[in-house]
Amino acid sequence: GENVEQHPSTLSVQEGDSAVIKCTYSDSASNYFPWYKQELGKRPQLIIDIRSNVGEKKDQRIAVTLNKTAKHFSLHITETQPEDSAVYFCAALTNNDMRFGAGTRLTVKP
Amino acid sequence: GAVVSQHPSWVICKSGTSVKIECRSLDFQATTMFWYRQFPKQSLMLMATSNEGSKATYEQGVEKDKFLINHASLTLSTLTVTSAHPEDSSFYICSASSGANYGYTFGSGTRLTVV
Repeated sequence: GENVEQHPSTLSVQEGDSAVIKCTYSDSASNYFPWYKQELGKRPQLIIDIRSNVGEKKDQRIAVTLNKTAKHFSLHITETQPEDSAVYFCAALTNNDMRFGAGTRLTVKP
Repeated sequence: GAVVSQHPSWVICKSGTSVKIECRSLDFQATTMFWYRQFPKQSLMLMATSNEGSKATYEQGVEKDKFLINHASLTLSTLTVTSAHPEDSSFYICSASSGANYGYTFGSGTRLTVV
């Protein structure tokens, strides 16, 4: 089955700096890659997603890039703010089967 | 947007009892429901996938007789943790898909504590 690896597990940045989280996947049939933000005890919230026919997508301070050949995709957050602090999960969808990365705990220091 | 209502949000039960968790899709038909378990500071681990009207498909290592999943209608799926033990204490969360446009909607999660 699909295996999603996510790095780093923890990331601490200064407010205003950029944060990058990377994920790799194993199944070339995966065709949808969402990113979720999860605050403690709450449901994951979809923040951005990308489909396999697109290389890059941007939404204000958040962008995602996908390299299908290398089977990796990344989340980029620019101009980070303290409220960006949370756990972020990448995921890969293969045939209606969603697998998650291990998560990255992002801390944005004021 | 699509909404999935999950209840209860938290539950404390005694060891050996059973607990039922419900997920309802409020404004769309959930053809597929996913059930995840999340231990503290860990990722969401898929437990099982259920399609309406069919038996659930369980992930390796997940006991189907312990975690009973019912998806009898397009708007309701239930997860029953039978004979709960303290090690079953976890955050359980459902995710529903209508099969359209890769839309996956999460429930709000249920924190189960078995004492």
